[in-house]
Amino acid sequence: DIQMTQSPSTLSASVGDRVTITCRASQSISSWLAWYQQKPGKAPKLLIYKASSLESGVPSRFSGSGSGTEFTLTISSLQPDDFATYYCQQYSNYLYTFGQGTKLEIK
Amino acid sequence: EVQLVESGGGLVQPGRSLRLSCTASGFTFGDNAMSWFRQAPGKGLEWVGFIRSKAYGGTTEYAASVKGRFTISRDDSKSIAYLQMNSLKTEDTAVYYCTRDLGRIDYWGQGSLVTVSS
Repeated sequence: DIQMTQSPSTLSASVGDRVTITCRASQSISSWLAWYQQKPGKAPKLLIYKASSLESGVPSRFSGSGSGTEFTLTISSLQPDDFATYYCQQYSNYLYTFGQGTKLEIK
Repeated sequence: EVQLVESGGGLVQPGRSLRLSCTASGFTFGDNAMSWFRQAPGKGLEWVGFIRSKAYGGTTEYAASVKGRFTISRDDSKSIAYLQMNSLKTEDTAVYYCTRDLGRIDYWGQGSLVTVSS
């Protein structure tokens, strides 16, 4: 299975900050990577797919980049609604795997 | 509007069986693969398995942790996907999500809690 490693596990930031979350794959996954946001008690929400494509309806302050084994999710200016847990997911093959999650907390 | 509604969760003893249903609306169900994911309490997301559309054979794939115990099926006439869970273990306790699977997962159900405990 392809292992996905996210960092950091926890991130403390303030409203207006620019933040970056990193996801590394144990082997190349081309651009077959998605990012999700999850709030407590809710289902995950798709933010980014194919590494850098913004899902419809998602604010443009979210962006993704990378290919191969290194990927990043960037939030350009944090808003109060953005404090949540973020997951990356590879879909290079059908054995989908996720990163362990990054909890974004208010500083 | 796309909706995925899971049902059938609850408390079950170890070794017993449970079947989850996922009723879909708002899209052409038969044209889409459907996946199940789960999330144990306080833990991350885990893919459970998926079923391809009939156009791609309607075949299934499973995570190693559930292979041989869980079975996914679909009834395209009713727009329902099923997750049959047999020989349940305490470590299967989780919220189970039904999803539309494009590789990326663009629609998720609200989740159904399955608790395996004696």
